[in-house]
Amino acid sequence: RKEVEQDPGPFNVPEGATVAFNCTYSNSASQSFFWYRQDCRKEPKLLMSVYSSGNEDGRFTAQLNRASQYISLLIRDSKLSDSATYLCVVLTTDSWGKFQFGAGTQVVVTP
Amino acid sequence: DTAVSQTPKYLVTQMGNDKSIKCEQNLGHDTMYWYKQDSKKFLKIMFSYNNKELIINETVPNRFSPKSPDKAHLNLHINSLELGDSAVYFCASSQDRTGGQNTEAFFGQGTRLTVV
Repeated sequence: RKEVEQDPGPFNVPEGATVAFNCTYSNSASQSFFWYRQDCRKEPKLLMSVYSSGNEDGRFTAQLNRASQYISLLIRDSKLSDSATYLCVVLTTDSWGKFQFGAGTQVVVTP
Repeated sequence: DTAVSQTPKYLVTQMGNDKSIKCEQNLGHDTMYWYKQDSKKFLKIMFSYNNKELIINETVPNRFSPKSPDKAHLNLHINSLELGDSAVYFCASSQDRTGGQNTEAFFGQGTRLTVV
């Protein structure tokens, strides 16, 4: 079983709509959580860190559920430029700072 | 201006050759990493260095040898290249690897290695 699992998608989303997807992690020693965005043939870039109480950054909302070991990302009012692969990243403190990546969820925003 | 820079961006080489990829970060971070992204787009950690010391070595063939001359540089040397080494290699750095406030990793633009 992979340590971090994501629905690969693609999620096809009309412009202006809301899309949400989850990521599950298996290691209960996981300490920090992030969403990264990766565009085609580019490097991953930090979208947002995920805090215990949940947090929002503009149109993006991230939630953490430690009991069920998942994090979620919600994108409101989708823009064409939101089309990308969203990578769930988990840092476990029992692995000397090893960032574990999910395989990514592809989002395609259509006009 | 670039925070994490790696060279070259593209590398096409024949099987059996030896090649190096260089990485430098100007963020003052203590920890640097090499990740491999294969054709299925899965990012897998290869090595992690903290202040020039090897911390993580993820069962990578010993044809791959990282070298960190100082904490701002982490180079990757690959001997006897094989077809299966074709992938995108990303260098990254982070300030804190223990779950503190400044834990997020910053990535270089990637080196697309093609072995023919």
